Amino acid sequence: DIQLTQSPSFLSASVGDRVTISCRASQGITSYLAWYQQKPGRAPKLLIYAASTLQSGVPSRFSGSGSGTEFTLTISSLQPEDFATYYCQQLNSYPRTFGQGTKVEIK
Amino acid sequence: EVQLVESGGGLVQPGGSLTLSCVASGFTFSSYEMNWVRQAPGKGLEWVSSISSSGRTIYYADSVKGRFTISRDNAKNSLYLQMNSLRAEDTAVYYCAREVITVTMRRYFDNWGQGTLVTVSS
Repeated sequence: DIQLTQSPSFLSASVGDRVTISCRASQGITSYLAWYQQKPGRAPKLLIYAASTLQSGVPSRFSGSGSGTEFTLTISSLQPEDFATYYCQQLNSYPRTFGQGTKVEIK
Repeated sequence: EVQLVESGGGLVQPGGSLTLSCVASGFTFSSYEMNWVRQAPGKGLEWVSSISSSGRTIYYADSVKGRFTISRDNAKNSLYLQMNSLRAEDTAVYYCAREVITVTMRRYFDNWGQGTLVTVSS
């Protein structure tokens, strides 16, 4: 099974900060990686797919990069509505796996 | 508008059974792979099972293999998860999610239901 390790697990930041979240895969997954945002009590929301493609309707301050085993989600200027938990997911093989999550909180 | 609405959650005793349903609308259900993903209270996301558009190809997480059965009825635009031999560790919110496959074979879960809570406790 492919393991995904996100870092950090917790991040404290201020509005306007540039935020970077990493996701490392235990084996190569080319670009079969998606990023989701989840707010308390809500279903996850797709942000990025194929490692770097922005989902329609998602603000351009979100971007993704990477391939193989190293991936990054960047928020260029953190907004109040971005405080949430972020998950990466690999769709290269079964079982589908998610990272453990990165919680972004207000400093 | 794409909608996925789960139902069937509730309180069940350890060893008991429950069937979850997910009714889809706003898209051609029979053209999409579908998935179940769960989230234990205060924990992260865990993929549970996938079923192909035809229903012929199915995958399970090791944690539920042999106990859970995924199925679909394309005529009724519905996805199901039959859960048997339930354990305390199956307590979670269960989401159904639509999987998109692009022309370049990229995949992602683009729409999720609101979730249904399953609590396994005596």
